[in-house]
Amino acid sequence: EAGVAQSPRYKIIEKRQSVAFWCNPISGHATLYWYQQILGQGPKLLIQFQNNGVVDDSQLPKDRFSAERLKGVDSTLKIQPAKLEDSAVYLCASSHRRMNTGELFFGEGSRLTVL
Amino acid sequence: QQQVKQSPQSLIVQKGGISIINCAYENTAFDYFPWYQQFPGKGPALLIAIRPDVSEKKEGRFTISFNKSAKQFSLHIMDSQPGDSATYFCAARNTGNQFYFGTGTSLTVIP
Repeated sequence: EAGVAQSPRYKIIEKRQSVAFWCNPISGHATLYWYQQILGQGPKLLIQFQNNGVVDDSQLPKDRFSAERLKGVDSTLKIQPAKLEDSAVYLCASSHRRMNTGELFFGEGSRLTVL
Repeated sequence: QQQVKQSPQSLIVQKGGISIINCAYENTAFDYFPWYQQFPGKGPALLIAIRPDVSEKKEGRFTISFNKSAKQFSLHIMDSQPGDSATYFCAARNTGNQFYFGTGTSLTVIP
């Protein structure tokens, strides 16, 4: 079974530029999450989707971050304009809600460096 | 607001020793407590998990101890091996299926 796919793996941009990250969850996983992991910290939830609807985006900085999950499968996270403090690894995770095992399956992440 | 507090930040253990990582939470609505292991350049991967109606769960060398009244849980790694060197995160899930992670513990097992 293929895991969670993310791209790009690495991105370096200047502040005030924009960037987009893509995630393809495990097939059949209805719930998709985006987490931000700053160096030396634990993952912080940015947004949670159930199919193509947003369940929780309370910690998403909506003035600069946006995310969508078209057709309930792939998802894109966008940052515009980027700030220095956005430098982090952006992790996408998915879970199979009906199984309720509670397990999150993470991708390898997209590392963003803002100069 | 830090939903889950984790300690220590880093841990160095001799091969064969016991590694212990502790976590505490405040929200009594949490219903699932997993531990994730993360190697450099990789995403976190589920190691072991427990539900609050159980006080202990053991899988191989890994054991979770859970104290519901104290709102604390811990990970014990018995016979620690150099291959266990990684960052460990505790987490807690609420009924909305949102997961909150601790700040992580960097474990180094010295041969």
